[in-house]
Amino acid sequence: GQNIDQPTEMTATEGAIVQINCTYQTSGFNGLFWYQQHAGEAPTFLSYNVLDGLEEKGRFSSFLSRSKGYSYLLLKELQMKDSASYLCAVLNSNSGYALNFGKGTSLLVTP
Amino acid sequence: KAGVTQTPRYLIKTRGQQVTLSCSPISGHRSVSWYQQTPGQGLQFLFEYFSETQRNKGNFPGRFSGRQFSNSRSEMNVSTLELGDSALYLCASSLDSVGSGAPLHFGNGTRLTVT
Repeated sequence: GQNIDQPTEMTATEGAIVQINCTYQTSGFNGLFWYQQHAGEAPTFLSYNVLDGLEEKGRFSSFLSRSKGYSYLLLKELQMKDSASYLCAVLNSNSGYALNFGKGTSLLVTP
Repeated sequence: KAGVTQTPRYLIKTRGQQVTLSCSPISGHRSVSWYQQTPGQGLQFLFEYFSETQRNKGNFPGRFSGRQFSNSRSEMNVSTLELGDSALYLCASSLDSVGSGAPLHFGNGTRLTVT
């Protein structure tokens, strides 16, 4: 089995930077995804990390350290529309491949 | 390109009944995965189908089953419904199998309520 932990809720101000952390424990790690889910909507893909390091994509960046079982999603120049749930998901190869999700971090961006 | 389509959007069923949910993936996508989403447990993996074969199954009872057709459309069936099956059921398609690291494209889900 595996454990994926991320904070339940975070609040940040418009224009600021926020870092959402995710830690995981798994013996069959094959990559880590971040998804964004607005209330009442489907999750949408943000990023995928399989090697250590930082991947930057516009205002969003994602970092992975496999030795530490740690990832973070960095959101810069926050906008009100960034208020959403952010889901960390680990691709696991134990007993076949499966994408296992954390419970999500609900981010509220305030004016 | 049309996105992932799930039908119906909402369902209300009674305990003991069975239900079938449908998912049409993005054209050209061969993998379809199903997830159950609840406020307490988050997104939990049910199963993945790829080229009509079940690739992997999550930790759910045998009452949950699925299949995939030759056109990649997928159905999920839940028999002998229990109150705890009330949830949002999400279908996701991807170009290649989940194990390849291909990103998932989710449908808007079917909201199932069991009374």
